[in-house]
Amino acid sequence: DTEVTQTPKHLVMGMTNKKSLKCEQHMGHRAMYWYKQKAKKPPELMFVYSYEKLSINESVPSRFSPECPNSSLLNLHLHALQPEDSALYLCASSQTTSGNRPQHFGDGTRLSIL
Amino acid sequence: QQQVKQSPQSLIVQKGGISIINCAYENTAFDYFPWYQQFPGKGPALLIAIRPDVSEKKEGRFTISFNKSAKQFSLHIMDSQPGDSATYFCAASMRGGSEKLVFGKGTKLTVNP
Repeated sequence: DTEVTQTPKHLVMGMTNKKSLKCEQHMGHRAMYWYKQKAKKPPELMFVYSYEKLSINESVPSRFSPECPNSSLLNLHLHALQPEDSALYLCASSQTTSGNRPQHFGDGTRLSIL
Repeated sequence: QQQVKQSPQSLIVQKGGISIINCAYENTAFDYFPWYQQFPGKGPALLIAIRPDVSEKKEGRFTISFNKSAKQFSLHIMDSQPGDSATYFCAASMRGGSEKLVFGKGTKLTVNP
């Protein structure tokens, strides 16, 4: 079982809906990440949080809004998504963002936009 | 320069055989090279990783070979099993790069019984 827990596992939403994805880790990691993965492609980095502060935004559209309420939790708020946003959204964590620490991934949320 | 090139795109191996997946990079600032294994419906799982100060690292049936001068690294799966059938991603990152992983495009491995 993965030590990074993501909920929900599946989400279907309309283009006008607002929903949130949740990620939780209890490994004491201080860096957390959101990735987007399309079928048969590698994960693409979206956001990096380091010590609860946003350190990287990979030019992600504003319809995706990340939030890091504390060192264990990471949310991704979704609003007015497009059909092309349908993908597997992965959360990952690592000890820090320095020193090349291993990233540990959750099993993702499968998002479908109608 | 930020790319990691992975080959082959797909690989079919008989049970008990050796699976070999290759990756190449250009950016000499990369200093951490992990391999991830991903099963359908699951997230990528860290399999094994290497730093450029060693030429080989072995964990069970999985071995990474690293050639710093050629800027290449490879994953060898010995005695491949049907349960190894998955997609494998190589990746690279650099110190001071905010842990940004640059992934290869992936290799779909099928191990036939």
